Amino acid sequence: KNEVEQSPQNLTAQEGEFITINCSYSVGISALHWLQQHPGGGIVSLFMLSSGKKKHGRLIATINIQEKHSSLHITASHPRDSAVYICAVRRGTSGSRLTFGEGTQLTVNP
Amino acid sequence: NAGVMQNPRHLVRRRGQEARLRCSPMKGHSHVYWYRQLPEEGLKFMVYLQKENIIDESGMPKERFSAEFPKEGPSILRIQQVVRGDSAAYFCASSPRDRVDQPQHFGDGTRLSIL
Repeated sequence: KNEVEQSPQNLTAQEGEFITINCSYSVGISALHWLQQHPGGGIVSLFMLSSGKKKHGRLIATINIQEKHSSLHITASHPRDSAVYICAVRRGTSGSRLTFGEGTQLTVNP
Repeated sequence: NAGVMQNPRHLVRRRGQEARLRCSPMKGHSHVYWYRQLPEEGLKFMVYLQKENIIDESGMPKERFSAEFPKEGPSILRIQQVVRGDSAAYFCASSPRDRVDQPQHFGDGTRLSIL
């Protein structure tokens, strides 16, 4: 079993829909990252959080440390949001390596 | 401000050749991380370096792979005697310091193809 599990693996939505991507982890962490990867492109860091909730534009990320769970929400989705969304955790307080989920492929149709 | 720069973007090598991947971190960043993304798989940690030091190489294959981050110049990931299984996207990330509250900034990656 992976230390970081994402669901769903694939998600197709219509433009304008509210989208939720989930991430569960099984280890102690000091921070959780949400990343975005476009086809053939690089990786962009969307959020880094260790508690509570963060919002940037139409994106919202939440984390529940006790339940070891995080969600990424996209409001009023748009075709340009189509990408792979990756959850990654930084374990404990020592060491800087990130451990990644397998990613969620999001396709938003017009 | 320039982000993390990786070159080349695409690299093609024949089996048995050497591959050198370069990563220039963001200005002011002295911590560099290398990750590998095999086809149809998630990202995996390879190595973490500070200037002139390897801090954590627990994700690096024991043979053929090496990494350095010299005092001057970019970080280099070197793969000797490449095999087909080395075909992957290699990403570099950097941060200004090793702290929990510091995000890692990623480059656009190098796509390595082995013929």
